Amino acid sequence: NAGVTQTPKFRILKIGQSMTLQCAQDMNHNYMYWYRQDPGMGLKLIYYSVGAGITDKGEVPNGYNVSRSTTEDFPLRLELAAPSQTSVYFCASSFTPRDLLYEQYFGPGTRLTVT
Amino acid sequence: RKEVEQDPGPFNVPEGATVAFNCTYSNSASQSFFWYRQDCRKEPKLLMSVYSSGNEDGRFTAQLNRASQYISLLIRDSKLSDSATYLCAATNDYKLSFGAGTTVTVRA
Repeated sequence: NAGVTQTPKFRILKIGQSMTLQCAQDMNHNYMYWYRQDPGMGLKLIYYSVGAGITDKGEVPNGYNVSRSTTEDFPLRLELAAPSQTSVYFCASSFTPRDLLYEQYFGPGTRLTVT
Repeated sequence: RKEVEQDPGPFNVPEGATVAFNCTYSNSASQSFFWYRQDCRKEPKLLMSVYSSGNEDGRFTAQLNRASQYISLLIRDSKLSDSATYLCAATNDYKLSFGAGTTVTVRA
């Protein structure tokens, strides 16, 4: 199992450009999440999905969009990039265990700089 | 008020020492709690799950106090390799709320 994979690892965008951050998992997890982490801060939830075709906003969704057409993939779209979106983006997934722990497993992250 | 709060540290300890730090949570409905380890802004890696009074895994012990709404992490016999940021997380339905992390530096 590759676990949770993310591409690209690094990206520099100009203000106003758009891009898609890719996330895939091969663990057949139904829940997937996108977080951003700014220096010295915790993880903030951007969007999440409880299954294919279902997505919902997290704490900081403005400026982002997601889709979940398959169980495996959960891409994050940035439209009209702004310097405030400079951050490290992590994708995570979890399953629904009988004990309802919802342990999340993270991808390696994408470091995005918007200048 | 933040859902999960942690003492940011840093905690500077010598090798072999014991270090402990807490995390408080505000959502009394949270059922499960986690400690993640994060190195130099790499991805968080699950260290321990805590869903009853506590959990122990080798040199690491996590305790849960539901009455006071905090969890703690204790590291015994600290190693240089324990230097990292430790993130606390609490469940909110099937989502997690994370603290900003506690930085631990173990010196030789």
